[in-house]
Amino acid sequence: DTEVTQTPKHLVMGMTNKKSLKCEQHMGHRAMYWYKQKAKKPPELMFVYSYEKLSINESVPSRFSPECPNSSLLNLHLHALQPEDSALYLCASSHRQDLSGANVLTFGAGSRLTVL
Amino acid sequence: AQTVTQSQPEMSVQEAETVTLSCTYDTSESDYYLFWYKQPPSRQMILVIRQEAYKQQNATENRFSVNFQKAAKSFSLKISDSQLGDAAMYFCASNAGGTSYGKLTFGQGTILTVHP
Repeated sequence: DTEVTQTPKHLVMGMTNKKSLKCEQHMGHRAMYWYKQKAKKPPELMFVYSYEKLSINESVPSRFSPECPNSSLLNLHLHALQPEDSALYLCASSHRQDLSGANVLTFGAGSRLTVL
Repeated sequence: AQTVTQSQPEMSVQEAETVTLSCTYDTSESDYYLFWYKQPPSRQMILVIRQEAYKQQNATENRFSVNFQKAAKSFSLKISDSQLGDAAMYFCASNAGGTSYGKLTFGQGTILTVHP
């Protein structure tokens, strides 16, 4: 299995809703990532988990709450979002380093979030 | 810190022809890696090719090859025998080895159109 699976593919929510995005991989990767991508822009790193512990938080607002219950699963809990949070949310995973020393990310297809 | 610059917002090519996408970067790291990712309308970010900075030989993957000029900090992507399926947004990216894993720095992207 060489895939990162994200659900749901599309999500529409109101500003008072609570919802979650889910990401799953079975490649034995011990690092998992959340990126946010606006239309026609590059992805922006939000969070990095390494061995199920949060290792990087790029000053993301607390209305985004990540969770890594186990080495295969990564969630992003959403609460009290703003319309400007509408974006494509990409999950990725990687080994710490491959044989060449590179840290190569495998991305999921993303969850398209619309906040009304 | 790393910066990646793609100076071509859009490029187009005829099917079966060759096109080159430009990328320049700047980094203070001695150990770093360079990548080209492709993002088609399906949204999946797909790794096209990668280059270890410590290798002088240019990386090649089938119809995709890079021209890595370390002194000039240039990393261009050449697509030979272009196919309709190559149409996508292409991102040049870099990350450092060692403890900076996960912090991919992306360029602004180049939209590639392939004409039949």
